[in-house]
Amino acid sequence: RKEVEQDPGPFNVPEGATVAFNCTYSNSASQSFFWYRQDCRKEPKLLMSVYSSGNEDGRFTAQLNRASQYISLLIRDSKLSDSATYLCVVNERSTNAGKSTFGDGTTLTVKP
Amino acid sequence: DAGVTQSPTHLIKTRGQQVTLRCSPISGHKSVSWYQQVLGQGPQFIFQYYEKEERGRGNFPDRFSARQFPNYSSELNVNALLLGDSALYLCASSLEGTPNSGANVLTFGAGSRLTVL
Repeated sequence: RKEVEQDPGPFNVPEGATVAFNCTYSNSASQSFFWYRQDCRKEPKLLMSVYSSGNEDGRFTAQLNRASQYISLLIRDSKLSDSATYLCVVNERSTNAGKSTFGDGTTLTVKP
Repeated sequence: DAGVTQSPTHLIKTRGQQVTLRCSPISGHKSVSWYQQVLGQGPQFIFQYYEKEERGRGNFPDRFSARQFPNYSSELNVNALLLGDSALYLCASSLEGTPNSGANVLTFGAGSRLTVL
């Protein structure tokens, strides 16, 4: 079983749709959580951190459920420019604290 | 301000050869991490260096090695290349020694795309 698992998709949605991505992690010692965005053949870029209380940044909402070891990302009013792969990232509270564990990503295509 | 810079951007090698990839972090960042990304998968952690010392190592064979220089730039070396080493190699820098902890997030370079024939 992978340490961080995501539904690979692809998710194909029309502009204006609301779409949700889920991510589960296996290590209960995980400490920090993030969503990164990766455009085709580009480097990953930080989209947002995920806090225990949930957090929102414009059209994007991230939530964390530590008990279920589950992270989510909600995108409202999807834009064509939201088309990308969304990577769930988890950091452990361990001696290997420099390691970030990435999921394999969920691909989103927003269509006109 | 310059972001994380990596070189070369693309390279082709044959099996058994050796490769050196280079990375310059964002000015003021002291930590450099290396990741391997195979097509269709997420980045896999290889190494992290902070203040010229190895702080983390992923599940990669000893053919992979790295170092960090006094100016915080870094090199990743891969010996005895295999076909399976073909991937995008990403370097990321962060300000302090525990990347992706609190505000100390990872910023990636554009990567070095290695093809092994």
